[in-house]
Amino acid sequence: QKEVEQDPGPLSVPEGAIVSLNCTYSNSAFQYFMWYRQYSRKGPELLMYTYSSGNKEDGRFTAQVDKSSKYISLFIRDSQPSDSATYLCAMSVGNQFYFGTGTSLTVIP
Amino acid sequence: DTAVSQTPKYLVTQMGNDKSIKCEQNLGHDTMYWYKQDSKKFLKIMFSYNNKELIINETVPNRFSPKSPDKAHLNLHINSLELGDSAVYFCASSQDWDSSYEQYFGPGTRLTVT
Repeated sequence: QKEVEQDPGPLSVPEGAIVSLNCTYSNSAFQYFMWYRQYSRKGPELLMYTYSSGNKEDGRFTAQVDKSSKYISLFIRDSQPSDSATYLCAMSVGNQFYFGTGTSLTVIP
Repeated sequence: DTAVSQTPKYLVTQMGNDKSIKCEQNLGHDTMYWYKQDSKKFLKIMFSYNNKELIINETVPNRFSPKSPDKAHLNLHINSLELGDSAVYFCASSQDWDSSYEQYFGPGTRLTVT
């Protein structure tokens, strides 16, 4: 079983839609949960991080962590064409880092 | 100003050659990382240095050797390149080890081994 599982998509939505991206994980010890955005042929950039459980909101983006279900989500409200990218979830504890394989998102104008 | 830079951006070489990729960060960070991203976009950590000290050394072939001449630089040397080494290699940095959840990535080096 992989440490982190993420549906690769691709996911295609119309502009203005609410997007839900998800990851599951197997290691209950993970403490930090991150979401990175990666544009084509660019390096990943950190969108948000959450420590332990709970929600965190930043503008149009909301990250949720449910440690009891080992499930994390990223919601994008009012999606824009500029949100078209690959979204990578990541998790860490101590010196262990694991990334999901990324979900490719296209927002159609 | 580029925060994390890598050179070269593209690297095409033949099997058996030795090559190096350089990484520099101007953020004043203490911790730097090397990642490998394969063709399926899977990103895997390879090494991490904190204040020039190796703290993560994942299971990678010993043909890969990181070198940190100072806190702002982390280079990756690869000996006897193989076809399976073809990938995009990313360098990243964080303020310190405790802030490893907030990493800044470079633009990547696309390595193609023929």
